[in-house]
Order: sequence, then structure tokens, then C-alpha cells
Amino acid sequence: DIVMTQSPDSLAVSLGERATINCKSSQSILYSSNNNNYLAWFQHKPGQPPKLLIYWASSRESGVPDRFSGSGSATDFTLTISSLQAEDVAVYFCQQYYTNPITFGQGTRLEIK
Amino acid sequence: QVQLVESGGGAVQPGQSLRLSCAASGFTFTNYGMHWVRQAPDKGLEWVAVISYDGSIKNYADSVKGRFTVSRDNSKNTLYLQMNNLGPEDTAVYYCAKLPSMKTMTSWFDYWGQGTLVTVSS
Repeated sequence: DIVMTQSPDSLAVSLGERATINCKSSQSILYSSNNNNYLAWFQHKPGQPPKLLIYWASSRESGVPDRFSGSGSATDFTLTISSLQAEDVAVYFCQQYYTNPITFGQGTRLEIK
Repeated sequence: QVQLVESGGGAVQPGQSLRLSCAASGFTFTNYGMHWVRQAPDKGLEWVAVISYDGSIKNYADSVKGRFTVSRDNSKNTLYLQMNNLGPEDTAVYYCAKLPSMKTMTSWFDYWGQGTLVTVSS
């Protein structure tokens, strides 16, 4: 199975500042034939369903604010929130869909400093 | 809008069974494969099972193979997870999740339910 490891486990950032969350896969999730990275990012707030933010590592889901962006390739990926808003407090997790079984990062808890 | 609503969770003893349901609305249920994903207390997410849009293809995590059965009733827009011989390791919040396309069964999930809690304890 592909192991997804996020860092840090928790993060406190001031309002308006940049937040950066990392996700590392135990093997490459870049499919060379289409040059796509098979990685998604989700936001999960208590009492709510997880929400899709990013797919194909850098494609923003419709309706997601443009302060959220994804980057990276092969084994190392980053979710960046360019200017943290109060409503961004949540757990963020990555998911690989390169191969079965689908696997997830352990989650990063983002708080306001 | 798309809604996925899980139900059927609860507290059971080891060895017992439970059936979870996921009622779907806001999209053409018959066109999309569906997954079950779970999260144990203070643990990360674990994929559990997938079923194709027509129910003809099913896959399971090794941890539940032989004990859990995924099914769907497209006439009722409902996904199911039959869980037998439950153990404490199955204690988790169980989520159903929708695939974004009928063309694949391995993909990101564009919608999730809120989850239903299953507790297995003596």
C-alpha cells in the first residue's frame, strides 16, 4: 500500500498569514503517460462532511476560494492557504488515488495563532 | 445539491452485525460508483469498500474482506454496507463518498456524507 505522510500534525497560523501543509507519498503517484499526479486535498470541519479542495494535485474544485492552492509532483506535495481566514480552521488531509487501496494522510490540524 | 446521508450506526457487541445505509440525492445515483471510508478514534482515514455504478464490481480492504458486503439499490438511491462479525477494531465513523465520474472506480471523492458512528464493545 502507498503510505501518505503529512507534516506537520498541527499548525497554528495568524489570520492573514500563509499556511503550508505537506504530504509525502511512499512511492511516486505521478502517472507518466498522462503526466498527472493522483493526489487530492480535503478540508474537514467538525460535524461536517469532508470537502474536496484540490484534485490532480493542483486543480481547484469549483467554488473553492483561490487562496487554496496545491503543488508538487511525484512524491512531495503541498497545500497552501495564501491568507488564512477564520473559517479555514479545520483538519486537512491528502488522498492518493494512483492505485488501490486508496490511502490517506493522517491529517493536519490547522488553528489560528 | 448533492446530499449523502448515512444511517444505521450504533453500539454493538463483538461478533454482532450491523447494516449501514447511505441515502443519496441531488444527482443521478445510478451513474456513479460509491465508496465507504472509515475513521477510527484518533486515527486517520481508512478506505473500506467500493461498488461500481451498477453494482457489478465490488472491492474491499483486506481488513474487512469476508466480513463486510457492499451493495446498492439504485431504485432507492441507497448504498449499503452489511457488516458481520464485528470486532473492536471496526469501531469508527463510517462515511459514504461519491466518485466524480462513472468512468473510474479509483479516484478522488467529490462528495462525502457526514458519517455514522459504529461502536463495537463488550
